[in-house]
Amino acid sequence: DAKTTQPNSMESNEEEPVHLPCNHSTISGTDYIHWYRQLPSQGPEYVIHGLTSNVNNRMASLAIAEDRKSSTLILHRATLRDAAVYYCIPPGGYGNKLVFGAGTILRVKS
Amino acid sequence: NAGVTQTPKFRVLKTGQSMTLLCAQDMNHEYMYWYRQDPGMGLRLIHYSVGEGTTAKGEVPDGYNVSRLKKQNFLLGLESAAPSQTSVYFCASSPYSRGRGEKLFFGSGTQLSVL
Repeated sequence: DAKTTQPNSMESNEEEPVHLPCNHSTISGTDYIHWYRQLPSQGPEYVIHGLTSNVNNRMASLAIAEDRKSSTLILHRATLRDAAVYYCIPPGGYGNKLVFGAGTILRVKS
Repeated sequence: NAGVTQTPKFRVLKTGQSMTLLCAQDMNHEYMYWYRQDPGMGLRLIHYSVGEGTTAKGEVPDGYNVSRLKKQNFLLGLESAAPSQTSVYFCASSPYSRGRGEKLFFGSGTQLSVL
């Protein structure tokens, strides 16, 4: 099974961009990478996912390395409400089940 | 549109008691999941279902049973609760995946304490 590696924690200042890295060197060529986040005392919520090219939505951007061994989630202007645990997750396979690791704790300072 | 609804939100059990957690989704999703999250840790998959009448084991299935008699409902049962099952339980659902991975929608969780 594909595995991912993320830093345990990161810190950012409010209104500044945040780049959250993820290593997924074992991912296969047709696997999508998914990002979820979990705000305090809430269930996880979908952020973004992608295959090869960079992806953008209203929440974030996803930059995927050309060799697909790593990706970076970009929050363009961090707010206090973005303080959460961010999970980089390999594809779920049969049943689309997702295996969550420890994720990256993002702290945002005002 | 309610999404994924979990019942109850909080529960305290004594060791050996049994209970059932209910998950209901109104999005006509094929797949449903039960996860548990212990303090400071990521979510771990307990059981999942790829359709009405089907269930499968996840990473940590021991001590739990599940049933999916109706497409919109996924029940998680604890037959004899143990303190090690104290955790926050999350239910999720997703549409059928055609290979690109559909996103999961999560409920707000059930805080279970076993004394």
